[in-house]
Amino acid sequence: SQQGEEDPQALSIQEGENATMNCSYKTSINNLQWYRQNSGRGLVHLILIRSNEREKHSGRLRVTLDTSKKSSSLLITASRAADTASYFCATVLSSGSARQLTFGSGTQLTVLP
Amino acid sequence: DAGVIQSPRHEVTEMGQEVTLRCKPISGHNSLFWYRQTMMRGLELLIYFNNNVPIDDSGMPEDRFSAKMPNASFSTLKIQPSEPRDSAVYFCASSSPTAYNEQFFGPGTRLTVL
Repeated sequence: SQQGEEDPQALSIQEGENATMNCSYKTSINNLQWYRQNSGRGLVHLILIRSNEREKHSGRLRVTLDTSKKSSSLLITASRAADTASYFCATVLSSGSARQLTFGSGTQLTVLP
Repeated sequence: DAGVIQSPRHEVTEMGQEVTLRCKPISGHNSLFWYRQTMMRGLELLIYFNNNVPIDDSGMPEDRFSAKMPNASFSTLKIQPSEPRDSAVYFCASSSPTAYNEQFFGPGTRLTVL
């Protein structure tokens, strides 16, 4: 079974609106990362949050982490049509290799112009 | 700088044929990962190498799959014999020794086994 599960599976919003995606995981982590995948392309790293951090910002991205609930959220503010993509959370487990990522199932975001 | 390079980008083959996927990681990166992505199972780690040595191959589905990394700039993933259920997009990714948490993905190889 997958470590991370994103919800919603699909999200459709208007340009300019904010988009929020959630990720839940099962076992203790070292860090959690978010990746974006445009259709037909490879994944691109967006942001990393460590287990001792609660919130992190990067440009229009805001990530939160709640280790007590084993969940994270990714907020994209003022969305643009170019943000249309699939977004995946990925975890590095506390007990495993520091290099090994376990990916969730992804959220397909569509931003309508 | 060139990113991770994968070839071929698309491969169509018949069941029973041998398939070889190739990957060139980013220069200076010392970890290399092979993933498989399907609608049903999502993104799965097949195997990863550190300093050309296979570290964890527990994700390799069966003996038909094998991977090698003969040097720091080249890796192959081989499927012999291929089956229709192997149809998927195969990604190679690499990471650096200093920022090993961030993986850089190639564009993927879309494999179709008829």
